[in-house]
Amino acid sequence: EAQVTQNPRYLITVTGKKLTVTCSQNMNHEYMSWYRQDPGLGLRQIYYSMNVEVTDKGDVPEGYKVSRKEKRNFPLILESPSPNQTSLYFCASSWGQNNEQFFGPGTRLTVL
Amino acid sequence: ILNVEQSPQSLHVQEGDSTNFTCSFPSSNFYALHWYRWETAKSPEALFVMTLNGDEKKKGRISATLNTKEGYSYLYIKGSQPEDSATYLCAFFGDYKLSFGAGTTVTVRA
Repeated sequence: EAQVTQNPRYLITVTGKKLTVTCSQNMNHEYMSWYRQDPGLGLRQIYYSMNVEVTDKGDVPEGYKVSRKEKRNFPLILESPSPNQTSLYFCASSWGQNNEQFFGPGTRLTVL
Repeated sequence: ILNVEQSPQSLHVQEGDSTNFTCSFPSSNFYALHWYRWETAKSPEALFVMTLNGDEKKKGRISATLNTKEGYSYLYIKGSQPEDSATYLCAFFGDYKLSFGAGTTVTVRA
């Protein structure tokens, strides 16, 4: 089944404790991205990747890192999480800009 | 941050009525305009991706139009049904980034 998976789905952590949210797709998509969803603000792009080893900042990259060592995986890293990073996070993938994004199930992160 | 605006923020529709709502976006550096449907507790799912000025797309009772010169797109729902209740998101793709609007939440009353 074609899908985008994210882990964990739910996470409660404390300020400053490094964490990684994994994202994997099995559709051989080139474009992958991370978004955060906050009430009233819509989805905001954090980082995106056009292909392996090619990543770039979206609109809200501060406090986040990503890597794209393999085509299928695009982990989101929070080196030192803070409470303002409490949010719902979505990973998505697509063939490219002209193609629909396939979204993962979301990860709800709470930073205390 | 690109300014993608959707209006209205929410609307209530009687079952069987038709409705439409708007997405406005920058008219420069346009590459594509996406529409997504987002149901509560689920992930957004793509409805349409439009790239050409004048594009019209249709999927069942839902259709969309695109005007890239003036920077707006309309989404239409014909004969609304309770299962159409969702938040509808538009997204502007330009300069390799995807910028979403805040969405229009549609509630269909039986």
